[in-house]
Formats: sequence, C-alpha cells, structure tokens
Amino acid sequence: EAGVTQFPSHSVIEKGQTVTLRCDPISGHDNLYWYRRVMGKEIKFLLHFVKESKQDESGMPNNRFLAERTGGTYSTLKVQPAELEDSGVYFCASSQNLDSYEQYFGPGTRLTVT
Amino acid sequence: DAKTTQPTSMDCAEGRAANLPCNHSTISGNEYVYWYRQIHSQGPQYIIHGLKNNETNEMASLIITEDRKSSTLILPHATLRDTAVYYCIVRDPNSGNTPLVFGKGTRLSVIA
Repeated sequence: EAGVTQFPSHSVIEKGQTVTLRCDPISGHDNLYWYRRVMGKEIKFLLHFVKESKQDESGMPNNRFLAERTGGTYSTLKVQPAELEDSGVYFCASSQNLDSYEQYFGPGTRLTVT
Repeated sequence: DAKTTQPTSMDCAEGRAANLPCNHSTISGNEYVYWYRQIHSQGPQYIIHGLKNNETNEMASLIITEDRKSSTLILPHATLRDTAVYYCIVRDPNSGNTPLVFGKGTRLSVIA
C-alpha cells in the first residue's frame, strides 16, 4: 500500500511568486490534514479536510494560503503571493476515520522563499 | 499550545533501553496519550498510544502512571536508526476533528 506522497519535495521561489504544493493521501482515507514547521518552531496544524469539505481551517495563517481537495482525493495548498516567513516544511497527513488513532504523514515539502 | 512537557534532549547507548518521559498533568479523562517521532528529513511517524493501561507494540512500550499525569515511552533496545525527535501528544480521538498538537519534543540521540 502506498503511503502519503507529497510533491514537490523541495521548492525554491522568490518573494511574491506563487507556489502550489500537492498531497496524495492514502487511498480510501477521508481525512486529510496539512501541517507546517517554520524555522525554529514546532509543527503547527493548518487545516483539515473530510473528503472534499474543509472541517477545520483554524490554523491557516492568512488569506495568502488556499487549500483545495476537489473530489475528495488529492489536495493542493497554494501560497500566493509567497513571503519570506512562509519558508518551512509543509507536511500532509491522512487518516481513515475521524476517530482514527493514527495519522500517516508524508515526507513533507521544503519551501524556501528568497 | 501543547499540553505536554518533555525534556529537550536525551542520549542513549546503542542496544540499551531508551526511556523518554512526558508530563501531561492537565490531561482530561477522554484524552489519549500518543507518541510520534520524526526522523531527520522525514514526516512524523506514529509509534504508540494509550488511555490508561500500559501498551506494547512492535516498536515500543508505553507506561502511563495511575493518575495519568505522566507517561514514559520505552524503546527496549535502541538502535542508531531510533535517533529522532520524539513527541508526546494528548488528544481526544472521539472529539471529531482535533488535530495533533506538537510541542518541542525530545531529541533522542542513540550513540554507538
């Protein structure tokens, strides 16, 4: 069984540009989470999808971030325009049910904004 | 904010047991204790979880005190590949949509 995959593994962009991160959860997992770790900080929750619906987006930092999960399969996280403080590692995780004990994480996308 | 307190770092000799403590004095009755770890350049990985009883799986053992205010993760025979940051997290899995709240974790270094 394939795990959670993320693309790209690393992205370097200039301030003001747009970047789109992609996450493919484990097949059949209705729940998809985005987290990120910015430099020197803890891993922080961004948002949670149940199928194609946003269940909780309380962690989204501002309106420069837009997440979608059309069709309830893969998800994208777009940052537009990117700022220097957006640099960090963005993780995606999935779980089968809301009360699942385990969230399966992808390897992350390292975003560097210069 | 994280509801757990862990030591910043620990060392362990290869082949020895690694005992990682965690304080969660404000844990509520419905919250479980979860442990995840993050090996360098990888995503966090689930290790084990428990409510009140001690638990064991192929990776580790989890010892929870009777008052549930603290717990210890035990890696019985640490290897170099166990070098990672270990996170203790409390969460109620039945509350629907609570995400994982990561603290700073404990950086475990396994030394040959």
